[in-house]
Parts: sequence; structure tokens; C-alpha cells
Amino acid sequence: DGGITQSPKYLFRKEGQNVTLSCEQNLNHDAMYWYRQDPGQGLRLIYYSQIVNDFQKGDIAEGYSVSREKKESFPLTVTSAQKNPTAFYLCASQSTGGIYEQYFGPGTRLTVT
Amino acid sequence: QKEVEQNSGPLSVPEGAIASLNCTYSDRGSQSFFWYRQYSGKSPELIMSIYSNGDKEDGRFTAQLNKASQYVSLLIRDSQPSDSATYLCAVRSEGSSYKLIFGSGTRLLVRP
Repeated sequence: DGGITQSPKYLFRKEGQNVTLSCEQNLNHDAMYWYRQDPGQGLRLIYYSQIVNDFQKGDIAEGYSVSREKKESFPLTVTSAQKNPTAFYLCASQSTGGIYEQYFGPGTRLTVT
Repeated sequence: QKEVEQNSGPLSVPEGAIASLNCTYSDRGSQSFFWYRQYSGKSPELIMSIYSNGDKEDGRFTAQLNKASQYVSLLIRDSQPSDSATYLCAVRSEGSSYKLIFGSGTRLLVRP
């Protein structure tokens, strides 16, 4: 069953703690993305990766870090430096041949108190 | 700053009517256009993609693209209450095969 999985679905953390969100895909897509969505707003790009061992900052990368050691996996760490980390985090992947359509995982809702 | 604009709504239509959702974009070099449906609390789901001027139909959905006027629209025929969701427009610019720019979405309510 091909798709994108994100875990956990809900995550609660205390302020000052780092937290890592998991994203895995078995679609054999080269490109992977992390977005953040706040209530009533569109999606904002945090980081993206076109190939293994390479990634680029998106529009709101401050306070976040990523790694891409495997094609299937693109974990996102929300650090204590992120001022307003409470949000809905979405991982996506995209084929690099032809159509370039992006598909999303189910998301992780992070609450920091 | 490349922008994608959508009316936030809500757009309210009766069941069985045609819902028309619009999106404008600022970058004339944009090449690919996508519509996503997002139910409350869920992730976006790709429902239509369009690359050429004109209409593209898929079931009850029709995407319309007019590059000269820089707008893309989504028509939903025979609207159902299950179509009630937020619809996100996304645009990919020329030379940027990896990045999408998203609008903030239009909330659609279909009244039974």
C-alpha cells in the first residue's frame, strides 16, 4: 500500500524541548517537503529535499532542522528556538519525472505549552 | 514576492448547485496549477492539476486555466454536502520544479 506516513498524529511538548516529527514514504519519490499550517492560513514551506543528503531552506526555516539520510525518510526537528511551534505539520513528497504532483501525509498536530 | 490569492469564503451553495472557486496568481511565469481539497483537521488531498489554457474535466470537477488573465478556477457540479471543505489553490513557477506556492484556501459549504 503506497503512501506517506507521519507519526505521531498528535504530539504534546513542554516549552524548551526539542521534538522530532517522523515522515516516511514508499512512493519512490525523490523530493520531500515539510510545511506548516496555522489556523485559517495556507501552507508555508519549512524545508525541502530534492535528493538524499541534500536539503534547502524554505520560507520559514528558522527554529527547524531536517536530515535526509535515506530516500524514504525526511524527519523534522522542531527546536526550542522556534518561537511559536504549535501548529499542524504536513509532510509531502513529489515525483521528479514528468508530472511533479505533490502528495501529502496525514499530518502531525504539535502542541507546545 | 510571488503570491496566490483566494477568497477565504465561506462560499455557501445549495446541494445540487455548481460551486465556483477562483484563484489568481502574480507570477506570469507560472506553469503548473493544482487544486487540493482539505477537510477540517485533515491533510490536503490533490483533486485536480492543470497545465494548459482551457478546461480539464474529471468527474464532477472542472479546472479552468487562463494564463493571460492569471487565474485558475475550479467548478464543482452537482455539489454534495460531502464537498464541504477548504479548497487550496497551488501554483508552480517556471524554473521551480520543486516548489509550490499555496493560497490560503476557500471554505466551501454545501447546504442540504
